[in-house]
Amino acid sequence: NAGVTQTPKFRVLKTGQSMTLLCAQDMNHEYMYWYRQDPGMGLRLIHYSVGEGTTAKGEVPDGYNVSRLKKQNFLLGLESAAPSQTSVYFCASSSGGTYGYTFGSGTRLTVV
Amino acid sequence: QQQVKQSPQSLIVQKGGISIINCAYENTAFDYFPWYQQFPGKGPALLIAIRPDVSEKKEGRFTISFNKSAKQFSLHIMDSQPGDSATYFCAAIPTGAGNMLTFGGGTRLMVKP
Repeated sequence: NAGVTQTPKFRVLKTGQSMTLLCAQDMNHEYMYWYRQDPGMGLRLIHYSVGEGTTAKGEVPDGYNVSRLKKQNFLLGLESAAPSQTSVYFCASSSGGTYGYTFGSGTRLTVV
Repeated sequence: QQQVKQSPQSLIVQKGGISIINCAYENTAFDYFPWYQQFPGKGPALLIAIRPDVSEKKEGRFTISFNKSAKQFSLHIMDSQPGDSATYFCAAIPTGAGNMLTFGGGTRLMVKP
């Protein structure tokens, strides 16, 4: 099925390690987003992109970096993981305007 | 500080009952209000949405009520079923670039058989 694919699905990191989460969409969407989901906090926007080669900060960008070198891919990087970054990360894409987002199935990250 | 406040955090309803989830917002730039449904291990999926120029929108058993003057909106699930058990998020999108969703904190709904 077409949609948003996130890899990996699960990961355990030690404090200070780095990793990259990959998001790929095959719907030719211009907009892509990274959210983190924590209990009682809903989903909070980390970074987003309004097109290939563009990125912008969201509500909680500290400790994360992103890149959008290709339209279909949006990468989220953690340079030095901290326990506060333990969360479920969701990638989403949209065609813009007020059309609905399509979300991936999430990456559960634990930092010990 | 959440721009969209959602209540309750959890809700238990008997099968056939009405589930009601409420949201409130402050930012008057919001002009589109979707609701998302999320099952365990899955990403959120768009359920129903409303614009502020409409006071009510109904799709099957799901109804959004919108009160622009009070800056509140709510989701009603009629004849609730065990298959409706999920986490529900209200959200809002402002006018302008970025098309960024701001989510409420979520409501975990359990419908008992």
